[in-house]
Amino acid sequence: SQTIHQWPATLVQPVGSPLSLECTVEGTSNPNLYWYRQAAGRGLQLLFYSVGIGQISSEVPQNLSASRPQDRQFILSSKKLLLSDSGFYLCAWTKGEQYFGPGTRLTVT
Amino acid sequence: AQSVTQLDSQVPVFEEAPVELRCNYSSSVSVYLFWYVQYPNQGLQLLLKYLSGSTLVESINGFEAEFNKSQTSFHLRKPSVHISDTAEYFCAVRGASGTYKYIFGTGTRLKVLA
Repeated sequence: SQTIHQWPATLVQPVGSPLSLECTVEGTSNPNLYWYRQAAGRGLQLLFYSVGIGQISSEVPQNLSASRPQDRQFILSSKKLLLSDSGFYLCAWTKGEQYFGPGTRLTVT
Repeated sequence: AQSVTQLDSQVPVFEEAPVELRCNYSSSVSVYLFWYVQYPNQGLQLLLKYLSGSTLVESINGFEAEFNKSQTSFHLRKPSVHISDTAEYFCAVRGASGTYKYIFGTGTRLKVLA
């Protein structure tokens, strides 16, 4: 069966610090991968999606970036965090239907 | 492009009462429709989906949703709710072909009261 992992589960970072969130999928190959951000009471905002290694589509211009160095690995990064980057970050994969990871709670202080 | 509207941000309901969570979508192409449930501090879990065929779809825990093309709706219903159904529910839409993007509604927080 397929599983999706995200780490860390929670993270507290100061403004201006870098960020790296990792997502890995097991039990499937060549999935479509997604990063979403969920702010309190505001639903899910699609940040990036990837249909293959090295192929990244950005949905919102901001100080975040994504990379897919391996087929089942998706990384969300920032060089300098802003207060507005706080939120719940969800990774998801798709092969027909979309399945979500457990999420990372990021608090920027 | 597609869009999704969940009309109710919060729905309080007493235990064992029926509930309906509303979802309307707009799209110029055929769509797939989904309901997801999210418990606090967890990821989203797929509750049910409409891809094609019967317009009434059911989940294993008693929820059902009906695809109504003329009203562009996909409302979620349960005839008798439990305390454990308290969660946030998201409706989502995806174009049936040529797109990788899922569009989510803003969510409805269902609170079941004892």
